[in-house]
Amino acid sequence: GAVVSQHPSWVICKSGTSVKIECRSLDFQATTMFWYRQFPKQSLMLMATSNEGSKATYEQGVEKDKFLINHASLTLSTLTVTSAHPEDSSFYICSATNQGTGRAGELFFGEGSRLTVL
Amino acid sequence: GEDVEQSLFLSVREGDSSVINCTYTDSSSTYLYWYKQEPGAGLQLLTYIFSNMDMKQDQRLTVLLNKKDKHLSLRIADTQTGDSAIYFCAVARGPGGGNKLTFGTGTQLKVEL
Repeated sequence: GAVVSQHPSWVICKSGTSVKIECRSLDFQATTMFWYRQFPKQSLMLMATSNEGSKATYEQGVEKDKFLINHASLTLSTLTVTSAHPEDSSFYICSATNQGTGRAGELFFGEGSRLTVL
Repeated sequence: GEDVEQSLFLSVREGDSSVINCTYTDSSSTYLYWYKQEPGAGLQLLTYIFSNMDMKQDQRLTVLLNKKDKHLSLRIADTQTGDSAIYFCAVARGPGGGNKLTFGTGTQLKVEL
């Protein structure tokens, strides 16, 4: 199946710093990637839709200046948590669709990136 | 918006069948998915079903869809300890499929010896 990789898998940072998380589709091109946030023992919440070559579409309640998304190529999307605070600590997961499979709507997920802000 | 509900916890004995249930509210949902999440990991797509189907079988997994009741279930036959994980159902938002998914709350499956 298609592979989506995230990096880093785990990051600890000080409050006020910015953290970048990368999401790569390793064996397919993804014009659209999605970023989710998952709190402990809870479901995934869609944060934004990342479109290659254009601005991301953010879900209601998600601060676009806080969570910067860049989708510069067909295999890479980045999420930057700016001026991170402890409440930003969470598990961030990206997903991408392999439109080449012909199975519309089938998403593949990265391994997730756990952010802890001290 | 769409609401997707699951029971939070299920415990079964190894070798028994597990049935994880999911209900949703948006009748226009066209793709319905089951994902597995192991501790500290991302999501693994297990299987999916189109809304024009009522059953799909894939090895030990059987998905049943009752579109009238907006009820989806995942049956795992001969459950093994390696099946212990959190299982999420997810529903494609709106008609025509698309990739925006609404996830259920997740069901933690515990398989006991």
